[in-house]
Amino acid sequence: QVQLQESGPGLVKPSQTLSLTCTVSGGSLRSVDYYWSWIRQHPGKGLEWIGYIHHSGSTYYNPSLKSRVSTSLDTSKSQFSLRLSSVTAADTAVYYCVRYFAKPQAWFGPWGQGTLVTVSS
Amino acid sequence: DIVMTQTPLSSPVTLGQPASISCRSSQSLVHSDGNTYLSWLQQRPGQPPRLLIYRISNRFSGVPDRFSGSGAGTDFTLQISRVEAEDVGVYYCMQATQIPYTFGQGTKLEIK
Repeated sequence: QVQLQESGPGLVKPSQTLSLTCTVSGGSLRSVDYYWSWIRQHPGKGLEWIGYIHHSGSTYYNPSLKSRVSTSLDTSKSQFSLRLSSVTAADTAVYYCVRYFAKPQAWFGPWGQGTLVTVSS
Repeated sequence: DIVMTQTPLSSPVTLGQPASISCRSSQSLVHSDGNTYLSWLQQRPGQPPRLLIYRISNRFSGVPDRFSGSGAGTDFTLQISRVEAEDVGVYYCMQATQIPYTFGQGTKLEIK
């Protein structure tokens, strides 16, 4: 059974770069069917899709974040990562890593437990 | 961006009774490949979201058959045939037809 677990700093200063890693167990990052994605949830609010990466190197990002987001994948460690630059308080959120089964299925699951990142000086 | 609008935002339900949540998209969710990529997620208190339904009506592995999805085009519905205590939480619809993928604002299901 595939499981995902986020890790990274819980506190980031404004203007700095947020960096998170997701460790995948029970499955391979090399699968052609899956993309490895990030979704965030602002405190007490709804969900926002950030983007995803495929083992081929293909990436797709939310245009609202595209200029600040990058993702990478390390199959040897079974990890993928998120970097979000120039953060502000508006980037404070719970960040989830999620597996995405590509079209024509197009579903997101399972989800990691999530990690709260607070942007504050 | 496609805007997803859910109604109601809060739904008090009696145990054992049915519940229904609606989701409307600002444009058709029919993809160029002919499929409609509308999913439903459940988020229990203190938990991450989990997938219930994908492509309108397909139940994900392990999801009880009291959950069902229906709809087409821009109007979709999640139905729970008989609400159980473990169903308390927030339900989200989500579209994966067009990037950026977007979510409804959530419907809070609570027990009366």
